[in-house]
Amino acid sequence: EAQVTQNPRYLITVTGKKLTVTCSQNMNHEYMSWYRQDPGLGLRQIYYSMNVEVTDKGDVPEGYKVSRKEKRNFPLILESPSPNQTSLYFCASSLSGATGELFFGEGSRLTVL
Amino acid sequence: GQNIDQPTEMTATEGAIVQINCTYQTSGFNGLFWYQQHAGEAPTFLSYNVLDGLEEKGRFSSFLSRSKGYSYLLLKELQMKDSASYLCAFPGYKLSFGAGTTVTVRA
Repeated sequence: EAQVTQNPRYLITVTGKKLTVTCSQNMNHEYMSWYRQDPGLGLRQIYYSMNVEVTDKGDVPEGYKVSRKEKRNFPLILESPSPNQTSLYFCASSLSGATGELFFGEGSRLTVL
Repeated sequence: GQNIDQPTEMTATEGAIVQINCTYQTSGFNGLFWYQQHAGEAPTFLSYNVLDGLEEKGRFSSFLSRSKGYSYLLLKELQMKDSASYLCAFPGYKLSFGAGTTVTVRA
C-alpha cells in the first residue's frame, strides 16, 4: 500500500531533550516536506527536500533540522525542543514537488513541557 | 509573492450545496490545489486546476478563473462527513497552505 509513515504519532517530552520524528514513504517520491499545524495558523512548511541530499528551508525552519540521506526517509530533528514547538506535525511527499499531489502522513502530535 | 484569501467558516445543511471561494494573488501561476482536512487528520487531495473552467469529480467540483485570480470548490448533496476544513494552495517546492475554510454540515 502506498503510504507515508510517521513515528511517533504521539509524544510528550520536556524542554531541551533532543527528539527525532521519522518519516518514510514507499512511493519513490523525489519531493518530501514537513509541516506544522497550529490552531488558526493553517499548515506552515518547516523544511522541504527536492531529492536526496537536497534540502531547503520553508517558512518556519527555526529550531528544526532535517536530513535526506535516502530517498525514502526524511527525519525531522528537534535538537533542543521548546514549548512553542508543541504542535501537530505532518510529513508529506509527492512525485514532483512543483505540481505534484501531496501525500501526507497521519501526523505526529508533539507536546513539549 | 503569493497571497491566498478564503472565508474562515461556512455552515450548510445536509443535502444542500456550498461554494467555497478562494481568491489569490501570485507572480507566477502553476495551478491551484484543493485539499480536504478533517479535524486532527491529514489533508487529502481533492483537485488540481491549471486551466480555466470547471472540473467535476462526483459531488465535488472545482472552478478556476486565472484572469480573475479566483477559484471555488463546490460541494453538492452535502453529507455530514463533508464537515471539514478545505484548503486551497499553490503548488511548488515552498508549498504552504492558508488556514482554510471550515465547513460545518448540520442535519
